[in-house]
Amino acid sequence: QVQLVESGGGVVQPGRSLRLSCAASGFTFSSYAMYWVRQAPGKGLEWVAVISYDGSNKYYGDSVKGRFTISRDNSKNKLYLQMNSLRTEDTAVYYCARDRKTGYSSSCLEYWGQGTLVTVSS
Amino acid sequence: QSALTQPPSASGSPGQSVTISCTGTSSDVGGYNYVSWYQQHPGKAPKLMIYEVSKRPSGVPDRFSGSKSGNTASLTVSGLQAEDEADYYCSSYAANNNVVFGGGTKLTVL
Repeated sequence: QVQLVESGGGVVQPGRSLRLSCAASGFTFSSYAMYWVRQAPGKGLEWVAVISYDGSNKYYGDSVKGRFTISRDNSKNKLYLQMNSLRTEDTAVYYCARDRKTGYSSSCLEYWGQGTLVTVSS
Repeated sequence: QSALTQPPSASGSPGQSVTISCTGTSSDVGGYNYVSWYQQHPGKAPKLMIYEVSKRPSGVPDRFSGSKSGNTASLTVSGLQAEDEADYYCSSYAANNNVVFGGGTKLTVL
């Protein structure tokens, strides 16, 4: 069965960096676009970034553009989110998710991990 | 990348039907048939309920249906059950390979 397990969350000071990981199993990781989506405490879902199946295309939400970098290692079945210049408003649960279709992004997120909490605070 | 507009709350009694709207623009909901709906129970990850406007993934009850007219998509839950009480989010593909979510609707089963 499809499994997505996020890790790397924690408490970090404003301006510092953090890298999240997402370990995938139960499917051919290299065939699917992957996403990061976040949810601030008590708030709604916010799309963060998407990466194509082969890593050749990456797109970001306006609020993280220039600060966050999405990447993947298809040999390790892992997705990453490098977060730099963190702000208090980046505090959220970060979910990784898999596209429903193989190939490039269809914007439909079929499988989700359980999320990892990132708290940005001094 | 403005969020799609959803009503903050909706409610219905068991057995009734309720419809949740999701309004965007011609650059997202109105321009593409890539609207999805997600259900999220407290403390849980979102679950895909509807994709490509009106299609249901395997395992989702046929009480859940989706539609779209112009720049507004809708999710209808028929025959409401207690377990349908949750937050519901719409999303859409948006121009320039973006994804945009709605603000979410809290569905209460009275």
